[in-house]
Amino acid sequence: SYVLTQPPSVSVAPGKTARITCGGNDIGRKSVHWYQQKPGQAPVLVINYDTDRPSGIPERFSGSNSGNTATLTISRVEAGDEADYYCQVWDSSGDRSGDHYVFGTGTKVTVL
Amino acid sequence: QVQLQESGPGLVKPSETLSLTCTVSGASIHSYYWSWIRQPPGKRLEWIGYIYYGGNTNYNPSLKSRVTMSIGTSNNQFSLNLRSVTAADTAVYFCATGPGYSSGHDSWGRGTLVTVSS
Repeated sequence: SYVLTQPPSVSVAPGKTARITCGGNDIGRKSVHWYQQKPGQAPVLVINYDTDRPSGIPERFSGSNSGNTATLTISRVEAGDEADYYCQVWDSSGDRSGDHYVFGTGTKVTVL
Repeated sequence: QVQLQESGPGLVKPSETLSLTCTVSGASIHSYYWSWIRQPPGKRLEWIGYIYYGGNTNYNPSLKSRVTMSIGTSNNQFSLNLRSVTAADTAVYFCATGPGYSSGHDSWGRGTLVTVSS
């Protein structure tokens, strides 16, 4: 099964830039979605299909994907960005009945 | 705006079947892709599977032998059955949706905690 690896934690000062990586074999060939999850809440989609921001998501959130690493970048970090972040891909093996979503290990972002 | 609400027992005995229902408003159950996703306490999210138009399904291979999803015959609902549960199935269960076969999930329910214990 396809494996997505994220750093367990990232710490960033307010106003600075946070970069959260998601590593996977040839992940650049897949579409990556990113979620923000605050304690006790459901996840919120912040980046769809590598780079698309859903309506209502600040421009400070951006995504990129190439080679073996996808990256979620949060610019001008605010206290409210403190949360867990998960990457997600659709693992398509060619047999449609076996296609499925995979989530990354998750990264806790701490705002100092 | 699509809204989802999970419902079902909060406690299930080992070896029994976990059954949950998701009630959808703001969209037809016959459109989009309707997923179940779970999160054990303190752990990562895990996609269980989804159901879409015509009752077609895709399941996580790791759970496929124990999972059945179905669309309700009324009230814009879909459901999850997970058989032969163990303590490892204790988790918050979310229903969620996205517009495409492989798209991100842009609407989620609040989640419901299901504990497997005798």
